[in-house]
Amino acid sequence: KQEVTQIPAALSVPEGENLVLNCSFTDSAIYNLQWFRQDPGKGLTSLLLIQSSQREQTSGRLNASLDKSSGRSTLYIAASQPGDSATYLCAVNWTPQVGANSKLTFGKGITLSVRP
Amino acid sequence: DTAVSQTPKYLVTQMGNDKSIKCEQNLGHDTMYWYKQDSKKFLKIMFSYNNKELIINETVPNRFSPKSPDKAHLNLHINSLELGDSAVYFCASSQRQGAYEQYFGPGTRLTVT
Repeated sequence: KQEVTQIPAALSVPEGENLVLNCSFTDSAIYNLQWFRQDPGKGLTSLLLIQSSQREQTSGRLNASLDKSSGRSTLYIAASQPGDSATYLCAVNWTPQVGANSKLTFGKGITLSVRP
Repeated sequence: DTAVSQTPKYLVTQMGNDKSIKCEQNLGHDTMYWYKQDSKKFLKIMFSYNNKELIINETVPNRFSPKSPDKAHLNLHINSLELGDSAVYFCASSQRQGAYEQYFGPGTRLTVT
């Protein structure tokens, strides 16, 4: 069964700390992996998309890495700020680039709180 | 603004009623999706449409009927609402069918009383 796991469910850190959010998935034959941010009562904002052929993607203070063989992705947030407080969701697409049944399978998310 | 939009943002209704949620994307994408986020915040796909054609139906009760009048719109109609239908429903779109980046709407919080 294809599943995505994010542990821990919640994390609280002081401002300024560099932190790593983990995502693990069964079945290493993924096509891509997407990291999202969800603020309370809001929709999902796409942060980074990593294709299966890539090892990492960077956007500002965010860096996402992918290790297919071990079934893991990490989202690295540098110099965390209170504004980074949100739920971070990892989602995997196991379906091919072209074809039917394309869908994202989500983890349950990590709720991050950055304390001033 | 280019985006995925949904209406309404909040919907409160009684059991047994029929309601609809509308979704529109102006990104020029071919593929649209409906996801459900339950009370435990777990997101799961319900439907996927590509160029107005149903591609995925993830064993959703047939009380839920998506309709796509054109490729920019994907509406969700729910008949005979039940308490368990209370959730946040998200619409999303991607450039085309397949493993493309998905863009999400702001969600519709449905509460069934």
